[in-house]
Amino acid sequence: NAGVTQTPKFQVLKTGQSMTLQCAQDMNHNSMYWYRQDPGMGLRLIYYSASEGTTDKGEVPNGYNVSRLNKREFSLRLESAAPSQTSVYFCASSPTRAGQPQHFGDGTRLSIL
Amino acid sequence: GNSVTQMEGPVTLSEEAFLTINCTYTATGYPSLFWYVQYPGEGLQLLLKATKADDKGSNKGFEATYRKETTSFHLEKGSVQVSDSAVYFCALSDSRSGYSTLTFGKGTMLLVSP
Repeated sequence: NAGVTQTPKFQVLKTGQSMTLQCAQDMNHNSMYWYRQDPGMGLRLIYYSASEGTTDKGEVPNGYNVSRLNKREFSLRLESAAPSQTSVYFCASSPTRAGQPQHFGDGTRLSIL
Repeated sequence: GNSVTQMEGPVTLSEEAFLTINCTYTATGYPSLFWYVQYPGEGLQLLLKATKADDKGSNKGFEATYRKETTSFHLEKGSVQVSDSAVYFCALSDSRSGYSTLTFGKGTMLLVSP
């Protein structure tokens, strides 16, 4: 009964390094999402994938890329990490139909020095 | 565009006190409304939802009623417990988009003392 699994849970990077955050869901959901959470800012959508084979930009996509590897997996890549990308990153999934709740992973806590 | 406004926290209460966390929204369509809860070090969990006007969502003693006339979805609980201490997020999903993208409020921290 895993739901949405994110790896790693914690990571420290140096400015300029690259990294891929992994996300997998086992609920057969079509849609997947990446958010970042910063103090006082709530959750902001980075990218989403409405269905396998499609990806779209959210509110704060700059500095990130995504890959929908298959129906289960949706990865987030930082090509050249910057201190402003220090945040907690959450992956979520949901059925495609509008109005359905999203199910969240436990997050990846990323620090960039 | 869509937006969600929540009361700022932290909200500090004693155990067994009544809780209200205000949430108002702006949306051009007919959104579904949600409350999520985040316990320390964890992801967000769906607490309750309402999909149309006058619907009441409820779960674990929490309730919220979808008020279209006041564009509000206030969260209430009659008697809070220490274990309710968490951050609460109000969110909406715009049904026009055809997808389930959510717009979140900034979150309200609740601290309950014994």
